[in-house]
Amino acid sequence: AQRVTQPEKLLSVFKGAPVELKCNYSYSGSPELFWYVQYSRQRLQLLLRHISRESIKGFTADLNKGETSFHLKKPFAQEEDSAMYYCALTTGGGNKLTFGTGTQLKVEL
Amino acid sequence: GAVVSQHPSWVICKSGTSVKIECRSLDFQATTMFWYRQFPKQSLMLMATSNEGSKATYEQGVEKDKFLINHASLTLSTLTVTSAHPEDSSFYICSARDPSGGNVDTQYFGPGTRLTVL
Repeated sequence: AQRVTQPEKLLSVFKGAPVELKCNYSYSGSPELFWYVQYSRQRLQLLLRHISRESIKGFTADLNKGETSFHLKKPFAQEEDSAMYYCALTTGGGNKLTFGTGTQLKVEL
Repeated sequence: GAVVSQHPSWVICKSGTSVKIECRSLDFQATTMFWYRQFPKQSLMLMATSNEGSKATYEQGVEKDKFLINHASLTLSTLTVTSAHPEDSSFYICSARDPSGGNVDTQYFGPGTRLTVL
């Protein structure tokens, strides 16, 4: 069975500092990886997906199959980035998402 | 982007009563919807996968007779918590898969429903 691990429950950084939210997964096949974000009192929303190779709000994430990782990075943190971030995996074909436990990012001034 | 709504946004009920939560995809047709439960400061736990026109697939440990799911149309799925008890109090979230994305498998989430059972 697939599994997603986010080792940090809370990550606190200063504004302007680089951010890296870690995500590791276990799945024997070729997964599809996502990052979802949940701002305070808002719904969960898609931030980015590995298949699109996009940069959203300055965030990027590269799928590293060798290390089975999909870390989320941003070079300069902004106050508005403070939120809960979830890494998620699906095996594709309309299958269910498996979520990590989430990392609370707090950007301090 | 795709929008998913839930109704009600919050509900308080007495122990032993049943509560129905609706999940709607507003601008797309969703053949598959998912129901999650989220405890405070914890991750989303998938409860069941709801497929239009067929029976829902429940995750291990989720009582299908307690959490009734109906997906009668391509834009509506309902979750009914039957004979609710205080331990059922939680935040229930639905998501809908937008099949128009082709090979990209994306789920869009509703705002959630806060259920409090007294």
